[in-house]
Amino acid sequence: DTGVSQDPRHKITKRGQNVTFRCDPISEHNRLYWYRQTLGQGPEFLTYFQNEAQLEKSRLLSDRFSAERPKGSFSTLEIQRTEQGDSAMYLCASSLGGVQYFGPGTRLLVL
Amino acid sequence: GDSVTQMEGPVTLSEEAFLTINCTYTATGYPSLFWYVQYPGEGLQLLLKATKADDKGSNKGFEATYRKETTSFHLEKGSVQVSDSAVYFCALSGSGAGGTSYGKLTFGQGTILTVHP
Repeated sequence: DTGVSQDPRHKITKRGQNVTFRCDPISEHNRLYWYRQTLGQGPEFLTYFQNEAQLEKSRLLSDRFSAERPKGSFSTLEIQRTEQGDSAMYLCASSLGGVQYFGPGTRLLVL
Repeated sequence: GDSVTQMEGPVTLSEEAFLTINCTYTATGYPSLFWYVQYPGEGLQLLLKATKADDKGSNKGFEATYRKETTSFHLEKGSVQVSDSAVYFCALSGSGAGGTSYGKLTFGQGTILTVHP
């Protein structure tokens, strides 16, 4: 079963460092979404791609965040100059325009 | 903007009890509605969905009916099991009407369900 995969599953970093996460969607899915989930809350939308085009970005996505999907397949989410408030679970999902299928997430802890 | 409100939790039940988790929403147009479940240590999984008014989504004994008149999508199960212990999220996907985003999910805060033997 080749579902959505994310790497790494866990990341601990020091404040001020840059981190990059990777998401590999289900192979035929053209849409890819990034969400952030903090403890005790539901996931919040960050951004989404249709193929390689980034079509929407949330106001939650500050200038320190950047996402890419260079060939319309995998995607990366980079956070520059991390802050303690960035600590969260970062979720990726993919779809063909209907149901979104989620990956296991990357848990980030900023010390 | 779109929003989803779930009943306050956590919910603790005995096995075979009846379950209701309330969910109401605010959205422009005709969103699609979903229940996702997150079992301990696992990722979000789709439990059921409904795409238009009066549709009933069902899966694994869980049901929810899309009620446009009350803007609700309450989750129910007649007899819960210990294995149903998880966090349940209600979510909506915009219709694209009125300039709203099509496809992105707006989630409620989640309801923790614990079922005791």
